[in-house]
Amino acid sequence: KQEVTQIPAALSVPEGENLVLNCSFTDSAIYNLQWFRQDPGKGLTSLLLIQSSQREQTSGRLNASLDKSSGRSTLYIAASQPGDSATYLCAVIIGTASKLTFGTGTRLQVTL
Amino acid sequence: KAGVTQTPRYLIKTRGQQVTLSCSPISGHRSVSWYQQTPGQGLQFLFEYFSETQRNKGNFPGRFSGRQFSNSRSEMNVSTLELGDSALYLCASKRYTSQTEAFFGQGTRLTVV
Repeated sequence: KQEVTQIPAALSVPEGENLVLNCSFTDSAIYNLQWFRQDPGKGLTSLLLIQSSQREQTSGRLNASLDKSSGRSTLYIAASQPGDSATYLCAVIIGTASKLTFGTGTRLQVTL
Repeated sequence: KAGVTQTPRYLIKTRGQQVTLSCSPISGHRSVSWYQQTPGQGLQFLFEYFSETQRNKGNFPGRFSGRQFSNSRSEMNVSTLELGDSALYLCASKRYTSQTEAFFGQGTRLTVV
């Protein structure tokens, strides 16, 4: 059974700091990995999708990497801003099933 | 381009009642999946529909059911509501297969009293 872990569960950083969020998965036979952010009481916003054949993806201040052999992905956020405060979730898809298996999330707070 | 639309946004129901939630995917997307989010269990997969057929089903009781229409809109039904069904129900839209990006709606907050 695929398990997805995100550490830390919560993180508080001052504005302007660069930070890394971690995502670990137990089954390396993933199809792809997707990072989301969720604001309180809201739906999920897709940030980045990494296909299994890719090593990283970039969008603006965000960079996500994928290392299937070690079962890890990282989300790098450069020059953090208070608007980045949210819960960040990673999710993996295994094989041809379309089901997303989610991590427990990292709650990020960026302070002024 | 319109995103994923879920209705209603909020619902309050009484134990034993049934409820129907609706999801309209992004235009051109044929896959719709449903997820339940609770503080204790996180995000859990309910089921996925593609071209009006259920493709995958999560580990939920038979009280949870769904369907998809020819225009790709999907409905989820929960019968005989229990207090533990209180959750945020999220719908995800994908164009085709597992390789494509999933886009989520704002969710329906269901409270069972």
